[in-house]
Amino acid sequence: QVQLQQWGAGLLKPSETLSLTCGVHGGSFSGFHWSWIRQPPGGGLEWLGEFDHSGTPNYHPSLKSRLTISVDSSKSQFSLILSSVTAADTAVYYCARFWRVGAFDVWGHGTVVTVSS
Amino acid sequence: SSELTQDPAVSVASGQTVKITCQGDSLTTYHASWYQQKPGQAPVFVMYGRSTRPSGVPDRFSGSSSGNTASLTITGAQAEDEADYYCCSRDSSGTHRVFGGGTRLTVL
Repeated sequence: QVQLQQWGAGLLKPSETLSLTCGVHGGSFSGFHWSWIRQPPGGGLEWLGEFDHSGTPNYHPSLKSRLTISVDSSKSQFSLILSSVTAADTAVYYCARFWRVGAFDVWGHGTVVTVSS
Repeated sequence: SSELTQDPAVSVASGQTVKITCQGDSLTTYHASWYQQKPGQAPVFVMYGRSTRPSGVPDRFSGSSSGNTASLTITGAQAEDEADYYCCSRDSSGTHRVFGGGTRLTVL
């Protein structure tokens, strides 16, 4: 059974760079879209972006200038880098696998990220 | 605001039927998927395509779609179904994915 294990720094100061990594265990890395989703405190889910099976990144329009998603298929890992964070970036960040039938079928456990001076 | 609109909250008496809806222009072209999220947990997908249930999801969950509205119906709601439910599809450009604002389901 595929599991996603994510890690990265959880406490940042404004203007710093958020870096998270998600490891894929127990399944194929190819043929899926690898995604990041966040959820602010008390709020809803927000799709941030993904790296599709053809190697093309796709970012949320409002984050495109600050967001980079990369993939290391040799390690079955994918990463999120979000620059110049502010308090508005405080959220639980989830990595997720998008299955081509049309759903996020596997999710990471979530990483709490707090941006505070 | 999201391009997919959901009612913020819905309640249902235990054992009764409830329909959770998701509206958006993109739904005339793209299917929605549905996610259940309980407090402190990651979301879990409960429906995809027009009306396909993943393995392990009780058959009291069903999906449907008409025009610009996708629906998730729970027939005979149980206490364990109390959760937040999110739909997800494409945005109006078809380029990016977008979640609805979520519906908090309370089972009375």
